[in-house]
Amino acid sequence: KNEVEQSPQNLTAQEGEFITINCSYSVGISALHWLQQHPGGGIVSLFMLSSGKKKHGRLIATINIQEKHSSLHITASHPRDSAVYICAVISQGAQKLVFGQGTRLTINP
Amino acid sequence: NAGVTQTPKFRILKIGQSMTLQCTQDMNHNYMYWYRQDPGMGLKLIYYSVGAGITDKGEVPNGYNVSRSTTEDFPLRLELAAPSQTSVYFCASSNQGQIYEQYFGPGTRLTVT
Repeated sequence: KNEVEQSPQNLTAQEGEFITINCSYSVGISALHWLQQHPGGGIVSLFMLSSGKKKHGRLIATINIQEKHSSLHITASHPRDSAVYICAVISQGAQKLVFGQGTRLTINP
Repeated sequence: NAGVTQTPKFRILKIGQSMTLQCTQDMNHNYMYWYRQDPGMGLKLIYYSVGAGITDKGEVPNGYNVSRSTTEDFPLRLELAAPSQTSVYFCASSNQGQIYEQYFGPGTRLTVT
């Protein structure tokens, strides 16, 4: 079993829908990252969080340390949100990122 | 700022050939990383560096070498290319380690045949 599991692996939705991508991990962590990989391949860091919730525009990331779970939400989704979203965690004491396999999101107009 | 730049963007190698993937950052970051991304798999750390002159192995270092002679540059060397090294390679940098935001280069798509 991978240390970081994302669900769903693929998600297709219509423009305007509320999107949720989930990330579960099996180890104690010191931080969690959400990344976005564009269709052209470039990777951008969206959030780094170790507790609670962060918001940036239409994107919201939450984390529940006790349940070892994080979610990435997109409100009022748009075709330009189509990308692969990647969750990555840093194990306590390890100081190295462990990546999930990514969730491919497609938003249709 | 250009951020993190990588060259080349694409490369096809024959088995046994050598090449160097270049990575440069202009943000004065101490930490730099090399990852590989295989289809359907998460990114895996190959090597990392916490500053000029200091490098260390990541999760999948076999078949690769790195050097860090300056803060800006972190080249990745493949000595004897093998088909298993066909992948997309990403270089990244961060200010204070992986717990902080990482900035990624555009990637190099390498095919070994």
